Amino acid sequence: EVQLVQSGAEVKKPGESLKISCKGSGYSFISYWIGWVRQMPGKGLEWMAIIYPGDSDTRYSPSFQGQVTISADKSSSTAYLQWSSLKASDTAMYFCARYDGYNSDFWGQGSLVTVSS
Amino acid sequence: QSALTQPPSASGSPGQSVTISCTGTSSDVGGYNYVSWYQQHPGKAPKLIISEVSQRPSGVPDRFSGSKSGNTASLTVSGLQADDEADYYCSSYAGPKNIELFGGGTKLTVL
Repeated sequence: EVQLVQSGAEVKKPGESLKISCKGSGYSFISYWIGWVRQMPGKGLEWMAIIYPGDSDTRYSPSFQGQVTISADKSSSTAYLQWSSLKASDTAMYFCARYDGYNSDFWGQGSLVTVSS
Repeated sequence: QSALTQPPSASGSPGQSVTISCTGTSSDVGGYNYVSWYQQHPGKAPKLIISEVSQRPSGVPDRFSGSKSGNTASLTVSGLQADDEADYYCSSYAGPKNIELFGGGTKLTVL
């Protein structure tokens, strides 16, 4: 069974750094792209970035380029999304998703990030 | 690149059919047959219900169907059931710099 299990909720202050995780199981982690999607409170889905764990090829949405960093660790079948300096506007639910072709077929349960002073 | 355009809301009575549109451009919806639809219940992760314009993943009822004409894709939900009440999002491949461009979402209400 394909599963993506994400790290838990985080509460951070503006300016702090953060790295959230997404652990894949039940499939060949290195053979599928895995990406991150943001959902701000009460809003829609926004595609952020994607990585191919097999060779670490990455792509970023122009809206998020330079704002976040996506990475993956093949040895632990885990993808990451990190911020070096959080802003209040980063408050959102973040979903990871496995990509089969050009759509995301399996999703993690979501990681809620709250940034508040 | 702007999000794809969906109506903010749609509704129908149990047993009826409802169609949700998703309008893009020739650079996304119109340019590729990679339109997907996702269903999201409150507090849950999105679930893929249609891929590649009209393909249903295993386990998705055939009450859900997708189509595309030009720059507009459509999702039709037939035989509406109470559990179909959810938010629906379309998405399209939009080139190597926008792997998945989403629509703004449509809240489907079953009356």
